[in-house]
Amino acid sequence: SAVISQKPSRDICQRGTSLTIQCQVDSQVTMMFWYRQQPGQSLTLIATANQGSEATYESGFVIDKFPISRPNLTFSTLTVSNMSPEDSSIYLCSVAGGPVGELFFGEGSRLTVL
Amino acid sequence: KQEVTQIPAALSVPEGENLVLNCSFTDSAIYNLQWFRQDPGKGLTSLLLIQSSQREQTSGRLNASLDKSSGRSTLYIAASQPGDSATYLCAVRYMTTDSWGKLQFGAGTQVVVTP
Repeated sequence: SAVISQKPSRDICQRGTSLTIQCQVDSQVTMMFWYRQQPGQSLTLIATANQGSEATYESGFVIDKFPISRPNLTFSTLTVSNMSPEDSSIYLCSVAGGPVGELFFGEGSRLTVL
Repeated sequence: KQEVTQIPAALSVPEGENLVLNCSFTDSAIYNLQWFRQDPGKGLTSLLLIQSSQREQTSGRLNASLDKSSGRSTLYIAASQPGDSATYLCAVRYMTTDSWGKLQFGAGTQVVVTP
């Protein structure tokens, strides 16, 4: 299994500011994913971040709003830019590991935008 | 459309009863199905992964079955405990034209086990 650390675990931010969330994995992984979970909802994939290539964004998510970096096989960041209250969510980092692509998740970053 | 449905949305049982959680999917062309547990405000913890070629997986008090032909998976939790209270999500990795496929999550079943 993979151990994933996310920072910050929670934050309260002002409208119009940006926040960068870090995801650190204890082993090298190729595929890394960023999800959003809005209050009371299930998970929605924001983007897939594979090392050595540009992140692939899902419909409804754009790079200007959610820029992603993936500098190596153990680390990634997601920035939530120009935040509004609608961005208040839990943001989750996930990796696919092992021979069958089992998914592992970080503890999540709970973001509240005032 | 490749969807995942979990019914019921919420479930309350007395301690000691067996839990039965259901997950339905719309297309039998899948790589695998994974069950997760999520505590309030936390990330997801992987419970079991069943590959497409398997019929069931077991881990301790947990047993998950897979029936691709009917598009169903069931998670059984034996002798439930208050610590089993959480939201349980299933995720299906559907086959698509790209090698990874498409991962689709259900909305989850919120479980409360009362002492």
